[in-house]
Amino acid sequence: KAGVTQTPRYLIKTRGQQVTLSCSPISGHRSVSWYQQTPGQGLQFLFEYFSETQRNKGNFPGRFSGRQFSNSRSEMNVSTLELGDSALYLCASSPPREEFYTEAFFGQGTRLTVV
Amino acid sequence: AQTVTQSQPEMSVQEAETVTLSCTYDTSESNYYLFWYKQPPSRQMILVIRQEAYKQQNATENRFSVNFQKAAKSFSLKISDSQLGDTAMYFCAFGLIQGAQKLVFGQGTRLTINP
Repeated sequence: KAGVTQTPRYLIKTRGQQVTLSCSPISGHRSVSWYQQTPGQGLQFLFEYFSETQRNKGNFPGRFSGRQFSNSRSEMNVSTLELGDSALYLCASSPPREEFYTEAFFGQGTRLTVV
Repeated sequence: AQTVTQSQPEMSVQEAETVTLSCTYDTSESNYYLFWYKQPPSRQMILVIRQEAYKQQNATENRFSVNFQKAAKSFSLKISDSQLGDTAMYFCAFGLIQGAQKLVFGQGTRLTINP
């Protein structure tokens, strides 16, 4: 079974641009969550999608948005990039137990550098 | 809100030794999971071990075991017979059993196993 796939692996963008990151969950997983990892702030929850609906959102500005498609693939978008958005963005998917938490399987992340 | 604290930023031991990583957390919830994740240089977050808060028995996975003290809100990870491949960042994480899949992570402990 293929794992969680994140594309691209590396990305360099200029301040003010926007970026879209993609995450393909493990087949059959319906929950996809996103995390930002930086040396200063550690791992922080961005948002989680289940069956195309955002169920929870972390404390990030509105420049960070996401969506989930009917095949459970998810994208996150960051508009008007700032230097501080440079980070490793991790996606995780979880098996389909609608109300009860199960373990999260992580992708290898997308390393975003804003210059 | 939940918080997770790892008080040891770095640890270093010799191969084959036993090492214990500390984690404390704060929550007013009663139904939750606690996790230890490992992040090697490849950046892939890998689940090491999981503990359900309603289980009194400490979880074990081969060389990895936890000491879960619910009243003290403490969740330490013991690695026995440490191996060079155990070198990684280790993150303690908290997740609620019900609702959105959201993990709250500690700041991490960088563990180095020396030959």
